[in-house]
Amino acid sequence: NFMLTQPHSVSESPGKTVTISCTRSSGSIASNYVQWYQQRPGSSPTTVIYEDNQRPSGVPDRFSGSIDSSSNSASLTISGLKTEDEADYYCQSYDSSNHGGVFGGGTKLTVL
Amino acid sequence: EVQLVESGGGLVQPGRSLRLSCTASGFTFGDYAMSWVRQAPGKGLEWVGFIRSKAYGGTTEYAASVKGRFTISRDDSKSIAYLQMNSLKTEDTAVYYCTSCRDGYSYAFDIWGQGTMVTVSS
Repeated sequence: NFMLTQPHSVSESPGKTVTISCTRSSGSIASNYVQWYQQRPGSSPTTVIYEDNQRPSGVPDRFSGSIDSSSNSASLTISGLKTEDEADYYCQSYDSSNHGGVFGGGTKLTVL
Repeated sequence: EVQLVESGGGLVQPGRSLRLSCTASGFTFGDYAMSWVRQAPGKGLEWVGFIRSKAYGGTTEYAASVKGRFTISRDDSKSIAYLQMNSLKTEDTAVYYCTSCRDGYSYAFDIWGQGTMVTVSS
């Protein structure tokens, strides 16, 4: 079993770029795809990145995903920040050892 | 429009049972795996369980916290996924979301429902 660790919170100004990390505790980050979900206050989650770096239709290209084997982590980068990007963001992957889904603890993004 | 609508939530006493439904529309339900995810009040997302499409055996997987108590099933003719919850505990109190997956077997969650609240309390 492994855990995904995210920072509790990040903040940045409108128009800037922010990166949220998601570090896998054991096993290679490249072993299983990573997804990212956005949850605005009072709403259900929506998918912003799947399979490490793919954007669903309708998600602006300001959102991008990547993985880094050297730090064993995945990252979500949001450029040209807008106030509407203020939300909780969760990374998620698959644990093949127990056929389970794994979520990171979530990161609260504040755009101020 | 692709849509998932959960129903069946409510207030239930500890030890009792509840069945949630997830009704899908706008896509070929039977082609996709489905998953349930929950969120306790003020907490993060927790994966609950998963059911593959019939093409991949229709088999299920569960989180350790619910294994043996919760059962996921699907009725492809009605485009509905179910979450049968037995022996409920106070710690099962959460909003329960169903999600469709991007194919019949992967854990890449795609479309999310609006959620249904389950409160376990005496």
